[in-house]
Amino acid sequence: QVQLVESGGGVVQPGRSLRLSCAASGLTFSNYGMHWVRQAPGKGLEWVAVISHDEVNKYYADSVKGRFTISRDNSKNTLYLQMNSLRAEDTAMYYCAKVPPGDYGMDVWGQGTTVTVSS
Amino acid sequence: DVVLTQSPLSLPVTLGQPASISCRSSQSLVYSDGNTYFNWFQQRPGQSPRRLIYKVSNRDSGVPDRFSGSGSGTDFTLKISRVEAEDVGVYYCMQATHWPPTFGQGTKVEIK
Repeated sequence: QVQLVESGGGVVQPGRSLRLSCAASGLTFSNYGMHWVRQAPGKGLEWVAVISHDEVNKYYADSVKGRFTISRDNSKNTLYLQMNSLRAEDTAMYYCAKVPPGDYGMDVWGQGTTVTVSS
Repeated sequence: DVVLTQSPLSLPVTLGQPASISCRSSQSLVYSDGNTYFNWFQQRPGQSPRRLIYKVSNRDSGVPDRFSGSGSGTDFTLKISRVEAEDVGVYYCMQATHWPPTFGQGTKVEIK
């Protein structure tokens, strides 16, 4: 079955950078758009970014626009999120999620990776 | 951005009894293609979200039939016909009709 496994989280100082990865298996990765969604501690879900299956289209939440970059390597079945100029408010669990066929939302989610921005 | 307002935010329920969660949108969620891209997710404690319902009323594979979704336009409802212990968690509505995708605040379901 479809499996998404995030990695790359950790503790980082404000202003620094971090790159998250999401390894996909059990699907033809290049056929699907992918999202990043985050959840601050004890809070709700916040959509972060989405990328089309062919990397042509990328969209970002206003809260991360200009600081975060979503990308993918279809030859490696891997999704990325490059996070620059990190702020305390970026502290969250980051999930990758797959775009279902014929839809614009998300169906399968990974288990998440934790990012903590703190001095 | 589309605002989704869930109610109640906390829902204590008795095992075996029904439960209902409402989600109201700040604008119609009917897309130009006639579809309504509205979903319900369940997040059990310590787990990642799991989609239960897509396009208002379609259950995902493996989701028990005690879960049902209904609604149209701006008003949507998730119903659990008979709550079981494994249903404890937070339930989120989500729309992908309008950009950007947005989530409701979440409704915490707990057993009385």
